[in-house]
Amino acid sequence: DVKVTQSSRYLVKRTGEKVFLECVQDMDHENMFWYRQDPGLGLRLIYFSYDVKMKEKGDIPEGYSVSREKKERFSLILESASTNQTSMYLCASSLWVEQYFGPGTRLTVT
Amino acid sequence: AQSVAQPEDQVNVAEGNPLTVKCTYSVSGNPYLFWYVQYPNRGLQFLLKYITGDNLVKGSYGFEAEFNKSQTSFHLKKPSALVSDSALYFCAVRDGASGTYKYIFGTGTRLKVLA
Repeated sequence: DVKVTQSSRYLVKRTGEKVFLECVQDMDHENMFWYRQDPGLGLRLIYFSYDVKMKEKGDIPEGYSVSREKKERFSLILESASTNQTSMYLCASSLWVEQYFGPGTRLTVT
Repeated sequence: AQSVAQPEDQVNVAEGNPLTVKCTYSVSGNPYLFWYVQYPNRGLQFLLKYITGDNLVKGSYGFEAEFNKSQTSFHLKKPSALVSDSALYFCAVRDGASGTYKYIFGTGTRLKVLA
């Protein structure tokens, strides 16, 4: 079975802090994704990566950056956290079409 | 541009009755269509997909979905609902002709199966 793990289930940070969310997959998948999930808005794509060091912006990249130095690891960085970034963050990986999701990180910015 | 609509925020159904969760989509090329389920405090789990071939697709836990090209729909169905099916369901689409890896998700439909 594919396993996608995320570094934290719950995270509380202060406004202005730099925040790192880590995601690791164990199935050698080429593609990895970061989404945020908000009630009534569904999942919105922040960034995705189709290879090491390759990335593309999704629909809502503002205020975020990403890093993919190794195939199995995809990091989401909030450069200066703000309260409107309080959300559930979901990481996913895929080889071809279906995506496999991690358990999510619920981030609260106060 | 790609888009997905799930017109119902919530669907209530009695246990043992058939269920349908609706999804319509818009893509300029060939649609790759997906259903995912999310249980409380969990990530999304893949249920089924349509890429090509038979319009009726069977997936996990007894779920199936019907691809209807003329109505641009991909409704999720199950003949007999279980209380344990209660969860949040997401439809997603990807444009298979464009080469993009970008998926668009609907806003989700909460399914409540009543005992």
